[in-house]
Amino acid sequence: GAGVSQSPRYKVAKRGQDVALRCDPISGHVSLFWYQQALGQGPEFLTYFQNEAQLDKSGLPSDRFFAERPEGSVSTLKIQRTQQEDSAVYLCASSLVRGPAEAFFGQGTRLTVV
Amino acid sequence: GDSVTQMEGPVTLSEEAFLTINCTYTATGYPSLFWYVQYPGEGLQLLLKATKADDKGSNKGFEATYRKETTSFHLEKGSVQVSDSAVYFCALSETSYDKVIFGPGTSLSVIP
Repeated sequence: GAGVSQSPRYKVAKRGQDVALRCDPISGHVSLFWYQQALGQGPEFLTYFQNEAQLDKSGLPSDRFFAERPEGSVSTLKIQRTQQEDSAVYLCASSLVRGPAEAFFGQGTRLTVV
Repeated sequence: GDSVTQMEGPVTLSEEAFLTINCTYTATGYPSLFWYVQYPGEGLQLLLKATKADDKGSNKGFEATYRKETTSFHLEKGSVQVSDSAVYFCALSETSYDKVIFGPGTSLSVIP
């Protein structure tokens, strides 16, 4: 596709439920990033992939958060046993090369934990 | 650690007014600097960037100059339009890949 696609756009989960958020990056983009954006805040880095390798997961807030990109294209962010503080918009971004290049962002998945 | 601070909003301006949104940063090295914009209902978009001291990034009438001596990257536009209403994020990237650290955002409303 023309841009970064994320699904679902909206997700309501009951506390304790597991969720999976999908990101389809721009075709051919090597780098993929996940960010968490709480209401009224700037996005905060979660994790980074270069192709299928997860090179940085320093921003994942707990071991309930897990991300994968097994074939170096589509990525999934999984949150286990969701809690209310996980409610946020989860953004995915991709960029063509390693290095200070422009990263393109998807529209995000808004997760609400009730 | 690295961080970005920007002026608090919301900012409300009349059409054709001059805009300045202040941004300062803290970094251990020599980062690239960015302004991103988030229009209502849309995803984050890169507005402009600068990769070294004294570089000026510009796009859509917006400008920002990388000032290493004051660790600043203030966003300016000479004449704002209603269509510029959005949230603006100052950001930096210091690593060899594009991990971006964002400021908290400044909401801008432009009224006719």
